[in-house]
Amino acid sequence: DTAVSQTPKYLVTQMGNDKSIKCEQNLGHDTMYWYKQDSKKFLKIMFSYNNKELIINETVPNRFSPKSPDKAHLNLHINSLELGDSAVYFCASSETNEKLFFGSGTQLSVL
Amino acid sequence: QKEVEQDPGPLSVPEGAIVSLNCTYSNSAFQYFMWYRQYSRKGPELLMYTYSSGNKEDGRFTAQVDKSSKYISLFIRDSQPSDSATYLCAMSEGYGQNFVFGPGTRLSVLP
Repeated sequence: DTAVSQTPKYLVTQMGNDKSIKCEQNLGHDTMYWYKQDSKKFLKIMFSYNNKELIINETVPNRFSPKSPDKAHLNLHINSLELGDSAVYFCASSETNEKLFFGSGTQLSVL
Repeated sequence: QKEVEQDPGPLSVPEGAIVSLNCTYSNSAFQYFMWYRQYSRKGPELLMYTYSSGNKEDGRFTAQVDKSSKYISLFIRDSQPSDSATYLCAMSEGYGQNFVFGPGTRLSVLP
């Protein structure tokens, strides 16, 4: 069983489109995250949710909106996609902020 | 100064060598220290986790934390070609706080 799963694995889209990435974890963790990894492999946090409540919201454009319907799911919706949004987006979860467990990533390419 | 610094490499070593990977950080409030391994096109996977200062050993891997110097290390003994990956250090202040990642060191172990 995959602990943290995200879909889709690859996403290719045109500038200006709206897209969503879904994430689910079956580890029973309370906290979920979205990270962005740029072309230089630098991982940077975007959002963190604890029990459906937003606790970390880094400097991210308003075009990015996370949604957590329950503590096992954290989705990321992106409006008006731009070229600079191209990156790999990782979902992760943790219990008590001690260890992070990552999904396999969504490679987003904006053309 | 970035919050977490790490030599990006690439680092190439022969099979069987001892590898030393290092990170320095500036935030003295960090208490939880982790090393992640990331293979190409995969999500980071947790390798080692340490709380506060000290050493931790797991098989061929040893993690060291020196909080007084704000310096952490990962040693890999008897390195194997399958160890070829990007190694990311990460740290956190604790519950409710962000995990901050280093930029990663790319390691190649040559047969």
